[in-house]
Amino acid sequence: AQTVTQSQPEMSVQEAETVTLSCTYDTSESDYYLFWYKQPPSRQMILVIRQEAYKQQNATENRFSVNFQKAAKSFSLKISDSQLGDAAMYFCAYLGNQFYFGTGTSLTVIP
Amino acid sequence: DSGVTQTPKHLITATGQRVTLRCSPRSGDLSVYWYQQSLDQGLQFLIQYYNGEERAKGNILERFSAQQFPDLHSELNLSSLELGDSALYFCASSVGSLEETQYFGPGTRLLVL
Repeated sequence: AQTVTQSQPEMSVQEAETVTLSCTYDTSESDYYLFWYKQPPSRQMILVIRQEAYKQQNATENRFSVNFQKAAKSFSLKISDSQLGDAAMYFCAYLGNQFYFGTGTSLTVIP
Repeated sequence: DSGVTQTPKHLITATGQRVTLRCSPRSGDLSVYWYQQSLDQGLQFLIQYYNGEERAKGNILERFSAQQFPDLHSELNLSSLELGDSALYFCASSVGSLEETQYFGPGTRLLVL
């Protein structure tokens, strides 16, 4: 079965600094999608970034970028120039035949 | 604001009861998804409907059912409720498929006493 592991339950970063959130997954599928979702205190889920497994180029969205290592089954999220509004729970998700979410990483941004 | 609406925002009920959660997708979106977020199970995908038809099924219990109506709104029915069903239930919508960008509603918080 596919699983998604986020090994960092909590992370903190100084405002304006860079932080990397880790995610690994287990799968035997060759075609799949990976996502990072943000859940702020409002509890609403917001898509941060997505990556198609067939694409070698890492996805980027403004200050957010991923390091996708398909062979290592790793999908980390880098947040550059961290802002107070980035404080949230971040979920890594895998979509193949099924949709699986990691357990989340709580990110604190220190002013 | 994602454009996805969910009602009610909060629901408190007793074990054994049945409740219905409602979701209206963004204008133009044909797919609706339901998710459950609980403390012990984390975030789980339940089911997807596309233009009125069931498209994908996740970890949805047999006590739960969903449907999507001709106007594309969707309802998630939870019956024979148990304490463990207490969770935040999200609805999301997208134009078509699971791999597309999904827009999440604010969620319905269900508390089963």
